[in-house]
Amino acid sequence: EDQVTQSPEALRLQEGESSSLNCSYTVSGLRGLFWYRQDPGKGPEFLFTLYSAGEEKEKERLKATLTKKESFLHITAPKPEDSATYLCAVLLRAGGTSYGKLTFGQGTILTVHP
Amino acid sequence: DTEVTQTPKHLVMGMTNKKSLKCEQHMGHRAMYWYKQKAKKPPELMFVYSYEKLSINESVPSRFSPECPNSSLLNLHLHALQPEDSALYLCASSHSTGRDTEAFFGQGTRLTVV
Repeated sequence: EDQVTQSPEALRLQEGESSSLNCSYTVSGLRGLFWYRQDPGKGPEFLFTLYSAGEEKEKERLKATLTKKESFLHITAPKPEDSATYLCAVLLRAGGTSYGKLTFGQGTILTVHP
Repeated sequence: DTEVTQTPKHLVMGMTNKKSLKCEQHMGHRAMYWYKQKAKKPPELMFVYSYEKLSINESVPSRFSPECPNSSLLNLHLHALQPEDSALYLCASSHSTGRDTEAFFGQGTRLTVV
């Protein structure tokens, strides 16, 4: 069964304290892995897409990496405004036809204290 | 411009009411989606439209009826809902349902069924 698991469920950091969020997946055919940020009561905000093992993407204090089994979202010197829920999602193959279904992990709630 | 606009932002409806949620994008995307998100849970896919045709219905009850009048608009018609249908309803769009499936989400409609 295809599964996407994020850890930890919640992470509290002090401002400037770097850390990583994990997204592990056991899927039969990965077409892409996506990271989103979601603020309370808002829609998810797209951050990154990763397609193949070894790929890395960066944006400001965030860096996403991908292996064959997991993805990491590294947060360098976080600020309070980085506090949010971070969601990863996978796009799966479906009999050779990709139909756009994103399967989300449960998310990591990040809180950065000043 | 990566904007997906949803209206209304908030909706309270009785179980006998009929209402509609609206979604609009002007990014030229040919895939549009409805997701449902309960509190502290990840988004769950409801429907996928590809080139204005319904391509996925994730076994959603018939009291939810999607409609795609053109490539920029997506509606979700609601009728005879139950209190457990209260949730954040998210619309998203992407270039296609293929590999380029970075989905951009709207801010959602917070639906309360009383």
